[in-house]
Amino acid sequence: DVKVTQSSRYLVKRTGEKVFLECVQDMDHENMFWYRQDPGLGLRLIYFSYDVKMKEKGDIPEGYSVSREKKERFSLILESASTNQTSMYLCASSLWGTSDEQYFGPGTRLTVT
Amino acid sequence: KNEVEQSPQNLTAQEGEFITINCSYSVGISALHWLQQHPGGGIVSLFMLSSGKKKHGRLIATINIQEKHSSLHITASHPRDSAVYICAVRAGGYGGSQGNLIFGKGTKLSVKP
Repeated sequence: DVKVTQSSRYLVKRTGEKVFLECVQDMDHENMFWYRQDPGLGLRLIYFSYDVKMKEKGDIPEGYSVSREKKERFSLILESASTNQTSMYLCASSLWGTSDEQYFGPGTRLTVT
Repeated sequence: KNEVEQSPQNLTAQEGEFITINCSYSVGISALHWLQQHPGGGIVSLFMLSSGKKKHGRLIATINIQEKHSSLHITASHPRDSAVYICAVRAGGYGGSQGNLIFGKGTKLSVKP
C-alpha cells in the first residue's frame, strides 16, 4: 500500500512565524502535490513537483514556497505565517502525473493566531 | 462559473437508500476522479475513469464524456458512507506530468441509521 505521511496532524503557530510542513511518500512516486482545503472553496493546488528539485506553482502559490531535495520528501514552507493561512493542508503523490491516481496524506490542520 | 460543479452540496439519506451524487464539468478532460473524505481529513481515491462505468462493492461511477457529466452511486447506503465526496477532473490530453486536477467543492453525505 502507498503511504503518504505528514509531519503533524494539528499545528498552531503565531503570525509571522516560519512554518514547515513535511510530507513523505514511500512508493517512489515522481509527482508530489500540496493543497489547501477551505470550507466552501474545496481543494486548491499550492505547488507541485514532478521531480527532485523541480517545482511548479499551482493556483495559489502566494505566501508559500516548497522544497524537494529528495524524491520521497516534499516540504511546504510558510515564510511568514499569516492568519489567512489558517487551513487544512493536504499532501498527495502520484506516479505519472495527475491522470494517475493521487494518494493523499492525512492532512495537517494549521491554525495561525 | 466553476469548471467542476457538484450537486447536491449536502445530502441526508436514510440507511438503505440509493444515493446519487452528480458532477458536471465544462472542460475537455483526460480523466475524472471520485474521492472520499471522512471527518478528520484523510482523502481516499475511489475511482478514476475516462469512459463508461466502474463498480467497486456498493459504489458505482459512470461518466458521459459527450455530456461532460459523471455520477457516483451508492447502493444500500450505510452510516459509514457518511463523508464528503469530491469530484476532480484532469483537463486536456493524456501524458506529461503537467495538467493539474480541478476539484469540485464536494458533496457532504450524511446517512442516518
